[in-house]
Order: sequence, then C-alpha cells, then structure tokens
Amino acid sequence: QQQVKQSPQSLIVQKGGISIINCAYENTAFDYFPWYQQFPGKGPALLIAIRPDVSEKKEGRFTISFNKSAKQFSLHILDSQPGDSATYFCAASRAGQGAQKLVFGQGTRLTINP
Amino acid sequence: KAGVTQTPRYLIKTRGQQVTLSCSPISGHRSVSWYQQTPGQGLQFLFEYFSETQRNKGNFPGRFSGRQFSNSRSEMNVSTLELGDSALYLCASSAGGTGGNTIYFGEGSWLTVV
Repeated sequence: QQQVKQSPQSLIVQKGGISIINCAYENTAFDYFPWYQQFPGKGPALLIAIRPDVSEKKEGRFTISFNKSAKQFSLHILDSQPGDSATYFCAASRAGQGAQKLVFGQGTRLTINP
Repeated sequence: KAGVTQTPRYLIKTRGQQVTLSCSPISGHRSVSWYQQTPGQGLQFLFEYFSETQRNKGNFPGRFSGRQFSNSRSEMNVSTLELGDSALYLCASSAGGTGGNTIYFGEGSWLTVV
C-alpha cells in the first residue's frame, strides 16, 4: 500500500518559472513531512520540512504548502534555475518510535530548461 | 562535520553470494537507518538501529539483516543474493529522537547482482 502519492512523475519548467510538485498521504498519524533533493549518483539531501501545525514554510526559493484537511502538501520552487534539475522526493513519518522511518513518494524528475 | 559515510560505493556480486555494507553515521548521531532505492520501487525503508537495538523494521525478507556497534557504526548484510537485490542501498543517520529529527543520507552503495 503506497502511503504517500507524488505527482507528477516528471516536470519540465523554463528557467525563472515556478515548479510545483504535489504529494498526498493517507495515514493521519504522519506528523513530519520533509522534501529531499537527489542528484544523479548522490544520496538524497534534505531541502525543507514541515509539521501539520503550520500551513506554509519558506526557505529561500523553496516553499512547502500544507493542507491538513485534504491530507496534501506541495513543494514550490520559485525562480527555478537549471541547477535545480534533480529528482525530488516527498516523505512522511510518524512521531514516536517510528520517527526515523520515512515513507517516500515515488519521486519527481524536474528539468529546468535554460 | 563529516557526513554519513558508506563503503563500498560500488560492488558486483554473484547470485547466491552474500554482501555486507558499512555505514559510519554523523558524529553524535545514535540512529542509523537503511533504505533500498530501485527505479521500480523507489525508496523503501529496510530497518533502523538505535543504541545497538533494532527499533524499526520494514517489509523485507529475513535475508536482509543489520546491526549497530557501540560507536553507532552500522552494517547491513544481504544473504543468498537475488538479481532483484540490485539497488542503491542508502544509509541515513539522525539524532534518533522521537519528534522528527532531521535525517541525513549518505551517498549510498551501488550493488549489482549478476
């Protein structure tokens, strides 16, 4: 059972545009939602994370929007740059003993055209 | 501060053999988790160790096992390798608390089973 669904699978955006990646989760016990960026040949690197008590979090050009009632969250990349071309993963975990067990979405391959 | 270090980076094994992968977490981190990444299944949680004890386990067969040493370093072992075990194996470390600590990934060990 896939507990975190991510879309789209791939995305092409022009330089300077806004990239938007969406995720939906099923388990209401999830309370931590990180986004990871992965370049080819590298491990995933944490970009930004949010908890359900906040509807939006910004860090530089990256913003997470969170809708608890809809059980959805999304990543917005403003002023997208060619260097942002990578695969992005949303994830979720529960509090307590399972906090280190991340459940990942299937990933979005983002390409920023110069 | 050094990141999560995994060895070896690349290895090729024959079906039926076994393999051991090593991970050194970030200094001070007590939790080490292992993930398998494949194009078809994405990123899947294998298990987590905290203070030398397995705290969480994913849905993988018993051929996949791990351990953690007193210095928090961890190893994972896969016995009786199958072709489908070919994957990128990622180690992740965190402080290990129960409230959604930041989880840092290593660059992974690429395993090819022939």
